[in-house]
Amino acid sequence: GDSVTQMEGPVTLSEEAFLTINCTYTATGYPSLFWYVQYPGEGLQLLLKATKADDKGSNKGFEATYRKETTSFHLEKGSVQVSDSAVYFCALSRGGYNKLIFGAGTRLAVHP
Amino acid sequence: DVKVTQSSRYLVKRTGEKVFLECVQDMDHENMFWYRQDPGLGLRLIYFSYDVKMKEKGDIPEGYSVSREKKERFSLILESASTNQTSMYLCASSPREGGATEAFFGQGTRLTVV
Repeated sequence: GDSVTQMEGPVTLSEEAFLTINCTYTATGYPSLFWYVQYPGEGLQLLLKATKADDKGSNKGFEATYRKETTSFHLEKGSVQVSDSAVYFCALSRGGYNKLIFGAGTRLAVHP
Repeated sequence: DVKVTQSSRYLVKRTGEKVFLECVQDMDHENMFWYRQDPGLGLRLIYFSYDVKMKEKGDIPEGYSVSREKKERFSLILESASTNQTSMYLCASSPREGGATEAFFGQGTRLTVV
């Protein structure tokens, strides 16, 4: 069945460091891909998405490119801030009802 | 500001109790979902609903049921709570339009079954 695998955390970085969180997926057909973020004490919120191969999603300095050939959707940011500390979830959407399959989540801690 | 509201942030229940988790959305969304969040497992879909009184099982429906009598409200029911249902429960909603629309999440209910 469909699945999402993302790198285990926690990831600990200093402020202004470069961030990469790896995400790969297994799916039949052509799913839409998402990154959701969960700040402490809050629910998930959409960070960015891509709906077809070679699409790049971007938001708040974060980017991810839908790579069909490597079945990947890695999240990157050039310079992280303390306020980026959160748990990041990669997800794919299957079917017409927007049912999401999530990866395990990666906790990011950014220190000053 | 769009909102998905879950009735409780924290709940403690005893084994064998019947537990109701309530979720309300104010966006007139057709689709509503219940997920369970556990460390190392991410979020897993328990049930979803695409219309009033319509429901379908997700990936881990055992031990749970749901009710959707009104469009804005989606309830998760633990028929007889067990300790392995201790978890964070997240409700979400999204419009009908298809697989690439944004899902909006509530803040979650952390349920402890003792």
